[in-house]
Amino acid sequence: EPEVTQTPSHQVTQMGQEVILRCVPISNHLYFYWYRQILGQKVEFLVSFYNNEISEKSEIFDDQFSVERPDGSNFTLKIRSTKLEDSAMYFCASSESGGNRGYTFGSGTRLTVV
Amino acid sequence: LAKTTQPISMDSYEGQEVNITCSHNNIATNDYITWYQQFPSQGPRFIIQGYKTKVTNEVASLFIPADRKSSTLSLPRVSLSDTAVYYCLVGGPDTGRRALTFGSGTRLQVQP
Repeated sequence: EPEVTQTPSHQVTQMGQEVILRCVPISNHLYFYWYRQILGQKVEFLVSFYNNEISEKSEIFDDQFSVERPDGSNFTLKIRSTKLEDSAMYFCASSESGGNRGYTFGSGTRLTVV
Repeated sequence: LAKTTQPISMDSYEGQEVNITCSHNNIATNDYITWYQQFPSQGPRFIIQGYKTKVTNEVASLFIPADRKSSTLSLPRVSLSDTAVYYCLVGGPDTGRRALTFGSGTRLQVQP
């Protein structure tokens, strides 16, 4: 079964540092997403990406965040100047048709900001 | 997106059938109902989606009454590995291009 691959699985960074979370979506998928889940809380939408541009973003996705698809396979989330409250699991997801059938999520990157 | 309400938690034993009901009174005509499963420290996993009546796959069944104001996810003969959080989501066919809104879900604990 095709998978969405995320690296690293766990990242520890100091407050104020920049981090880049990496994702390899399923190869024939066209829509890409980032979600996050703070420990014990709900899964929250951050951003969706289609045709090399952001389709939608939440209030959480402020100027601190950016996404990029630097080549044909990777999809990255950059967090500039990390804050303690950015500590969370970050999930990448992709879908083929854009319908809410068949989103495939990755296993996540646990980001810990110290 | 229609608001959903589901129980916070449920307990069951191995081998039993588990039914998790979700209420979505404001479901729109073109909305679909989708269920996801999430294990600890993993991303949500798509289980099943339906529009009306009954849908069954190798993992679960989804029952949707005629008024579509609720739906029931049925897990036959659960095992310990079915312990997870189950989310009910409601949205139109284009929500894949927009945010999925997850609620708090139903935390299912399966005991031996």
